[in-house]
Amino acid sequence: DSGVTQTPKHLITATGQRVTLRCSPRSGDLSVYWYQQSLDQGLQFLIQYYNGEERAKGNILERFSAQQFPDLHSELNLSSLELGDSALYFCASSERASMNTEAFFGQGTRLTVV
Amino acid sequence: DQQVKQNSPSLSVQEGRISILNCDYTNSMFDYFLWYKKYPAEGPTFLISISSIKDKNEDGRFTVFLNKSAKHLSLHIVPSQPGDSAVYFCAASDPGGKLIFGQGTELSVKP
Repeated sequence: DSGVTQTPKHLITATGQRVTLRCSPRSGDLSVYWYQQSLDQGLQFLIQYYNGEERAKGNILERFSAQQFPDLHSELNLSSLELGDSALYFCASSERASMNTEAFFGQGTRLTVV
Repeated sequence: DQQVKQNSPSLSVQEGRISILNCDYTNSMFDYFLWYKKYPAEGPTFLISISSIKDKNEDGRFTVFLNKSAKHLSLHIVPSQPGDSAVYFCAASDPGGKLIFGQGTELSVKP
């Protein structure tokens, strides 16, 4: 158990819909990262928050947005969903802001868009 | 543009032998490299890392080698054990704060 909790574990939704993925980081960790893993793809970095502020941005689509709340949990919002958004979405957390440090991953949310 | 590449999708090794997983990168600005291991239905877990100012880092059965001139790193597992069977991801960090992952290599260690 990494200490990072992601909900829900599975999500099936229709094209055009909007979903919210939730992540609770490890106790004491200030950084939260979101990654997307599509079929046969590596982990694609989406976005990082540190202590409530956006710190780094990857290849995140404009239809996607995220935020980190004062209690440090984070949400990833995906809207106008397309079939190609079907993927495994991972959240990770770490103590520090730097990505050079070990990050702890949740079990992921598997999103299926039909 | 794949900045971090793991060209072998899979690798099969006999228990007790050495496993060598390879990773190539294109961006000379990467300053830190990490390896993560992933079992099915679980998130990746950190394994070992190396700074670009070093050429080797060792932790128990795991050693990572970095060849900056060739833009290549490798993970050696000696001796390999069946429990090491997993997908291994190489990742590189740039000074801008992004962590770029490779596509992963699935290691199978046979008893």
